[in-house]
Amino acid sequence: KQEVTQIPAALSVPEGENLVLNCSFTDSAIYNLQWFRQDPGKGLTSLLLIQSSQREQTSGRLNASLDKSSGRSTLYIAASQPGDSATYLCAVSGTASKLTFGTGTRLQVTL
Amino acid sequence: NAGVTQTPKFRVLKTGQSMTLLCAQDMNHEYMYWYRQDPGMGLRLIHYSVGEGTTAKGEVPDGYNVSRLKKQNFLLGLESAAPSQTSVYFCASSYSKAGSYNEQFFGPGTRLTVL
Repeated sequence: KQEVTQIPAALSVPEGENLVLNCSFTDSAIYNLQWFRQDPGKGLTSLLLIQSSQREQTSGRLNASLDKSSGRSTLYIAASQPGDSATYLCAVSGTASKLTFGTGTRLQVTL
Repeated sequence: NAGVTQTPKFRVLKTGQSMTLLCAQDMNHEYMYWYRQDPGMGLRLIHYSVGEGTTAKGEVPDGYNVSRLKKQNFLLGLESAAPSQTSVYFCASSYSKAGSYNEQFFGPGTRLTVL
């Protein structure tokens, strides 16, 4: 059974810092990995999707990497802003595109 | 293009009552999913569908039923609600091409409380 772990569970950083969120998964037989953002009381917004054959994806200040063989992904956020405060979820896709989620990292960016 | 919508947004039920949650998508996606989100548990898959008229069980299917009579709609039913089903329910949809470009798009969620 696939298990996804996200470390740390919570993180507080001052504005402007670069930061890294970690995601690890136990079964490397994945189709892709998605990073989501969830604001309190809201739904999930897809940030980045990395196909299993890719090593990284970038969108603006966000960069996600994937090391499938070691079962790891990182989400790098450059020059963090208070608006980046949210919970970040990692999920891996198996057959029928079913997603297995981690429990998330709650990020707070302070002024 | 509304994406994925869910009805209702909030609901309070008494134990034993029944209800149906509706999910609709206008992206012509083949695959649709129902998840529940509980504190400390992450999102867990309840049921999913790989096409009109087909459904399958996910990780936590007990106490729920689903139907996919139309491609754009995916219904989640609770026949006899229990307090353990208090949760936030999310619907999602994706393309069907296996192995690639199957990004999932999520609805805004339904907050259900069972008293």
